[in-house]
Formats: sequence, structure tokens, C-alpha cells
Amino acid sequence: EADIYQTPRYLVIGTGKKITLECSQTMGHDKMYWYQQDPGMELHLIHYSYGVNSTEKGDLSSESTVSRIRTEHFPLTLESARPSHTSQYLCASSVGDEQYFGPGTRLTVT
Amino acid sequence: SQQGEEDPQALSIQEGENATMNCSYKTSINNLQWYRQNSGRGLVHLILIRSNEREKHSGRLRVTLDTSKKSSSLLITASRAADTASYFCATAPPSGYSTLTFGKGTMLLVSP
Repeated sequence: EADIYQTPRYLVIGTGKKITLECSQTMGHDKMYWYQQDPGMELHLIHYSYGVNSTEKGDLSSESTVSRIRTEHFPLTLESARPSHTSQYLCASSVGDEQYFGPGTRLTVT
Repeated sequence: SQQGEEDPQALSIQEGENATMNCSYKTSINNLQWYRQNSGRGLVHLILIRSNEREKHSGRLRVTLDTSKKSSSLLITASRAADTASYFCATAPPSGYSTLTFGKGTMLLVSP
């Protein structure tokens, strides 16, 4: 198992709430990523970062935002959650070509 | 845009049998990687093959890459019940950037 952590693992919240999904890694990796994955489907890259103060949007349009103030920390924020945001969110990091994934956060917006 | 497409979508075999999964992609790549995902968990990296390589082995895994056909295959020999998972291929572009594009995955069920 890689040293990359996500909290919470499960979250059920109501529409309109602001939420932050946490992702931390202790491997000192410069590159970090957020993916969105619906059950049984492929992963879609929504945000990535190549280092502190660097953030980029991925291939999938997302209403979420990210920040990278510290190397080890890459939180994702939804200002106003909607049922369409219901999905699994996976965080990953890399130093070379191989990516290391956290266990994921399963988000349900009611 | 969709890059990797795995085939089959689902595969059910008995323990001890071999499992073969295929991945096709559309554009040039720097490398192709295979990942495993157990139900409800994150992905685990299995093996990476570079565009100038044709075959690679790791334990019970064998990966082939045919860049002329833009396809790769993952062979798991002597499957075990613990191999039950979804398997994804992911391609890295030739530009050297580290973002990956994932396919939809093959769901493998290995029955005891």
C-alpha cells in the first residue's frame, strides 16, 4: 500500500453544502492528481499539480477547485455540492511514470 | 477523449486458468501501464511498458505492446481468487507530461 491518504472515506451530505476532500502523501512526490470515477467506469482526470503553487484543470470539466500550498497536501473543494457530484474521488501522486493512489472518497449528495 | 479501450468488459474464469485482457488506444504513447482496482478501493500499479518495448514480465503477469496496432495485452497466468478485481490500462502521451488517460477497465472474476 502506498503512503497516500484520503479523508473522509465516505461522505453523505445535502445539496448546497461546501465540502473539502482531503488528500495527503508522505512520499515527497511533486506531482499529484484528482480523478473522478463512477461505479464500473473509467477514471477521469479533474485536477493535477506539478508542485507547490501549481494547479491545472484536467480533461473532465469540474466545478471543484484545488490548492497546493504544501507538497504533501492537495485538497479538493466543492463550494456547493449537487447530486450530480455523487461519485468516487481518487487522489494520486507520482515522482516518475507510476502513479500511487489513495483509497478514495465515496461522495453522495442528497 | 477516450484513449484506452479494454476488451473484454468482463471475464469469468476458474482458479488456475489464464486470464487475458486487451487494451487498444488511439494516439502515440510514451508508455502504457496496467493497474488493478479491488472493489471500492484505489488503483494499484502492476506494470509499465515503454513504447520501444514489446514484452515485459513481472511474476505471473506478462504484458505485450504492439505500437503498430496500438494495442496491448495483459496475461495473468495461473489465476487465483485473489486476482478478482478490475484491471485498467492507462496511456502516457509522448510529450513527457505525466498525466495518464485510463480505459474503462476489464472486470475479472476468478472462482475457486
